[in-house]
Amino acid sequence: GDSVTQMEGPVTLSEEAFLTINCTYTATGYPSLFWYVQYPGEGLQLLLKATKADDKGSNKGFEATYRKETTSFHLEKGSVQVSDSAVYFCALSEKTSYDKVIFGPGTSLSVIP
Amino acid sequence: SQTIHQWPATLVQPVGSPLSLECTVEGTSNPNLYWYRQAAGRGLQLLFYSVGIGQISSEVPQNLSASRPQDRQFILSSKKLLLSDSGFYLCAWSFPGNSPLHFGNGTRLTVT
Repeated sequence: GDSVTQMEGPVTLSEEAFLTINCTYTATGYPSLFWYVQYPGEGLQLLLKATKADDKGSNKGFEATYRKETTSFHLEKGSVQVSDSAVYFCALSEKTSYDKVIFGPGTSLSVIP
Repeated sequence: SQTIHQWPATLVQPVGSPLSLECTVEGTSNPNLYWYRQAAGRGLQLLFYSVGIGQISSEVPQNLSASRPQDRQFILSSKKLLLSDSGFYLCAWSFPGNSPLHFGNGTRLTVT
C-alpha cells in the first residue's frame, strides 16, 4: 500500500541554520505531495504542495521539489527562525476511486536562539 | 470561506464509557471528511474517511465507528472506550480531487 517515510527526529538547530527534512514515498500511481506543519497545541496547517513531477512548492521560505525518479519530497529552508519550531508532516494524496491522504510519522523541529 | 468546527476541545472519560465527537464544516458542500488520531509522540493515523453522506471507509479495525448523517457533519463514536483510545483526534475536510486537508483544532481525549 501507499506509505510515507520521514527522517527521524527530533531535530535541533540554531537560528539561521539550514534545514532539510527528508521525505520519501511509495505509491502505485501519481500522487500529489504535501508538507503540513503543526505548531504546539494546534491542529495541522498546509505548508506547501506539489501536484506533479518536478513541481516546486514554496511558502514562508520553505521549499520542496517533487522528484519522481527518487520518489522524494524533501523540505528545505535556508535560514530557520525560532518561530519555525513545530512538527512537520509529509503526506501524499492519490486519486483512485476515492480520495485518501496518507501522512508520514512527523519530524519535530526545535530552533534555539 | 470555509470553516471547520470540532468539539469538545478536551474530554476525560472513564474506561467503558461511550464516546461521541462531532465535526461540522461550513461554507462548502459535499466535502471529503476524515478522522485522524495522533497518539502522544507519534504521527497521524487515518481512522475513517467519507466521500459522501452515509459512505464511510475504515482504515483500522478498532472499537471506534464513524457516521455522516448530514453532508457536512461527521461523528466519531464508541460504545465502550478503552485506555488505548486516548489521544488527540483531528477532523479534517477537503475538496474532492487531491486537494489539501483543512484541519479542525482537535479533541484531546484521555481515557482513565
